[in-house]
Amino acid sequence: DAKTTQPNSMESNEEEPVHLPCNHSTISGTDYIHWYRQLPSQGPEYVIHGLTSNVNNRMASLAIAEDRKSSTLILHRATLRDAAVYYCILTTSYDKVIFGPGTSLSVIP
Amino acid sequence: GAVVSQHPSWVICKSGTSVKIECRSLDFQATTMFWYRQFPKQSLMLMATSNEGSKATYEQGVEKDKFLINHASLTLSTLTVTSAHPEDSSFYICSASGPGRGSRETQYFGPGTRLLVL
Repeated sequence: DAKTTQPNSMESNEEEPVHLPCNHSTISGTDYIHWYRQLPSQGPEYVIHGLTSNVNNRMASLAIAEDRKSSTLILHRATLRDAAVYYCILTTSYDKVIFGPGTSLSVIP
Repeated sequence: GAVVSQHPSWVICKSGTSVKIECRSLDFQATTMFWYRQFPKQSLMLMATSNEGSKATYEQGVEKDKFLINHASLTLSTLTVTSAHPEDSSFYICSASGPGRGSRETQYFGPGTRLLVL
């Protein structure tokens, strides 16, 4: 089973911020938090990852709770191109990656 | 950077034939490559993990004699679906990870190969 839980779907208005939550209450100290997104009929695309501190890159921001049991992917201004399935995944060098169902994000024009 | 390609992007074949799918890391050395299968409206399912120069580790329920994986170099892995049947029709996706790209565990995915077996 996937080690993370995410809402099945979310909606956002175009050009508004989107906060995609992820719970990972069983996270261990060596687990990285990775986010990927997948557009229809394409391979997943790396978005961002973090370990303990909040992270920013050109695509998004990742806010990690102090206890690391949850995290939030933040898209600062949603565009139609951001409509995708977003996967939150825990990764560690000694265990396999398991993809859950992810969150299907719809962006309303 | 961190580009992974797959070839072909789609393939149609007759039942009983074998199909080879290539996965290449174009700008980094992929010490580990992964193969996934994805059915419509479902999430990715890991099929196998391969490290360069080693035999692949298959997930439970994946037949290693049917899905042959070769990871002969740091930039190329191949998946051969042998004696394909209609139930093998799926979207096959590879990913690669390696030093100096993201964390050691960050995977970069190929665009996928859609296989249709008639």
